[in-house]
Amino acid sequence: EVKLEQSGAEVRMPGESLTISCKGSGYTFRNYWINWVRQMPGKGLEWMGRIDPDDSYINYNPSFQGHIRFSADKATKSVFLEWTSLRASDTATYYCARQSTVMKGYLENWGQGTLVTVTA
Amino acid sequence: DIQLTQSASSLSVSVGDRVTISCRASQDISNFLNWYQQKPGKAPKLLVFDASYLETGVPSRFSGSGSGTDFILTISSLQPEDIATYYCQQYDKLPNTFGQGTKLVIK
Repeated sequence: EVKLEQSGAEVRMPGESLTISCKGSGYTFRNYWINWVRQMPGKGLEWMGRIDPDDSYINYNPSFQGHIRFSADKATKSVFLEWTSLRASDTATYYCARQSTVMKGYLENWGQGTLVTVTA
Repeated sequence: DIQLTQSASSLSVSVGDRVTISCRASQDISNFLNWYQQKPGKAPKLLVFDASYLETGVPSRFSGSGSGTDFILTISSLQPEDIATYYCQQYDKLPNTFGQGTKLVIK
C-alpha cells in the first residue's frame, strides 16, 4: 500500500525556521515526484511546487519561490519543506502528494497534512 | 499562470440529484485537467484524471468530460457521502493551478 506519512503539527513564532517532512512507503520512492500543496484556513488548494526525489530536481511555483525550500533524502525515503523565516501568513495545512508519473501531473496519493501555525 | 474558474463556489443539492460542477481554463489545456474531492479535515482525493478517466475505486456515479477550456464533473445521483468540496487542477503548464473549489451543501 502506498503511504505518505507527514510530520506532526507545529507552532512557531514569526521569524523562526521550520522543516516539515513527508515519508513515503509501499513504493519505489525515487521513481515518483512529490508535490507540496498549501491550504490556508478555510481556503482552497495552492500548488507550491514539486521535487524529484531521485536527483532533487525542483519546480517551484514562483509565488512561493525564495521563501521556501524543498529537499529530499533517498536513504530515509523522505522529502522536506523548509522555511528559514516564517510569517504569520504561512499559517496553513501543508500536504505532500505523489505525482502519478513525470509526464502525468495528477496527484494519486496524499499525506494526511501538517498544520503549521505561526503566531506571536 | 493558467486560471481555473469553477462556476459556483457553492451548490445547494439534494440526495439523488444529478450534480454538475464546471471548470473553465483561461487558455487551452487540452485534457490535462484533474478533479479532486475534499471532505472537512481530510486530504484531497483524486477522482478523475486527464479530464475523463475515473481513478481506480471511485464510484461510477462520478464522471468527467471536456477538453480545451471547458470541463465538467458530473455526479449522476448524489449520495450523502458525496457532500464535500470539489477542486479542478490543471497540469498543462507550470505552475500547476487549482480552481477555487465548489462546495456541495445539502438543501
